[in-house]
Amino acid sequence: AQKITQTQPGMFVQEKEAVTLDCTYDTSDQSYGLFWYKQPSSGEMIFLIYQGSYDEQNATEGRYSLNFQKARKSANLVISASQLGDSAMYFCAMRGNNQAGTALIFGKGTTLSVSS
Amino acid sequence: DTEVTQTPKHLVMGMTNKKSLKCEQHMGHRAMYWYKQKAKKPPELMFVYSYEKLSINESVPSRFSPECPNSSLLNLHLHALQPEDSALYLCASSLNEGAGAGEQYFGPGTRLTVT
Repeated sequence: AQKITQTQPGMFVQEKEAVTLDCTYDTSDQSYGLFWYKQPSSGEMIFLIYQGSYDEQNATEGRYSLNFQKARKSANLVISASQLGDSAMYFCAMRGNNQAGTALIFGKGTTLSVSS
Repeated sequence: DTEVTQTPKHLVMGMTNKKSLKCEQHMGHRAMYWYKQKAKKPPELMFVYSYEKLSINESVPSRFSPECPNSSLLNLHLHALQPEDSALYLCASSLNEGAGAGEQYFGPGTRLTVT
């Protein structure tokens, strides 16, 4: 069975600092995708970044980068130069060839608080 | 445009009411999803539609009835709900089903309260 683990219920960081949110996954699939989403208190799930299992380079999108270590089954999100607007819940998710098709399997989430 | 729209934004309904949630996307995506999310929990899959056909029903009670009238629209019909059904209902879409289908985009959600 596929599983996503986020071990940090909450993280605190000051503005302009970098922060790493941890994510480990478990799957027996060879082909899978890993995602990070941001969910502010308004509720919308905002797609941040995607890494395919066959992608050799780590994905980057602006201030977001995904530190993909396939052998360790980890897909940590790095946010550089944190901003107050980054305060939100962050979910790591995976999609693979499982019974649920391409529906996402989510971790429990990490609440990030950015202070000035 | 990576927009998925959902209406209404908020919905309060009694246990005997019938209401519907609506989701729309114009990205040409052929897979659409309904998720349910309780406060401070991750979203849980309810239904998956692929090419307008229901492909996954995650053992959802029959008081939730999905419908996909065309490739851009997804509805969720609600009837005789219970207070524990109060949650954020999220719609999402992706290019198609399959591990290589790329990103899955979510709508802003409908906050449902059952009284």
